[in-house]
Amino acid sequence: QSALTQPASVSGSPGQSITISCTGTSSDVGGYNYVSWYQQHPGKAPKLMIYEVSNRPSGVPDRFSASKSGNTASLTISGLQAEDEADYYCSSYTSSSTLKVFGTGTKVTVL
Amino acid sequence: QVQLQESGPGLVKPSQTLSLTCTVSGGSISSGSYYWSWIRQSAGKGLEWIGRFYSSGSNYNPSLKSRVTISVDMSKNQFSLKLSSVTAADTAMYYCAREGWELMYDYWGQGTLVTVSS
Repeated sequence: QSALTQPASVSGSPGQSITISCTGTSSDVGGYNYVSWYQQHPGKAPKLMIYEVSNRPSGVPDRFSASKSGNTASLTISGLQAEDEADYYCSSYTSSSTLKVFGTGTKVTVL
Repeated sequence: QVQLQESGPGLVKPSQTLSLTCTVSGGSISSGSYYWSWIRQSAGKGLEWIGRFYSSGSNYNPSLKSRVTISVDMSKNQFSLKLSSVTAADTAMYYCAREGWELMYDYWGQGTLVTVSS
């Protein structure tokens, strides 16, 4: 089972919107609505930002939104802020014996 | 508030067994409502799912299955990871995490760095 494909890096200026893609297959992202997104600051544990494709846990700002189309899921950060600079990972359930697969990770830089 | 805390040796010799424990507070691992998982992250690399324990059994990443055992001590509210025959490739930050039925990791430990070296 290969990792889900994410762009290595995405950047934007404060206040702008950016979108991170997460591409899988029909066996994972495309086949199930169990896609989640995690934010990881340097030296910290990942933090859940989105679950079940587009649901935000309590406490996550509404400028974080997500969706899915076919085999690609997307995370959008609107009104980019300095504290959003971090690594972001997607994850999905997969019907393969691996059960869970993570994305390759995207480094978000706030210019 | 659920909290998870990993503990165990930070240095393991090649060919030996890596053993880590995750202590859970603020919630019971015997409730049967969650999966209790181990995930690792090599330096500068992405996340890798190791396996999980739940009320009906356990699941493991096939790439590690022959070397991994996840067990639980309900009386201590802890679950543990054993990874045998380690090599330098097993050097990583190891996290324990709670996985909900929606298959997302909603609570994580702070992680513990394990180095495999002689």
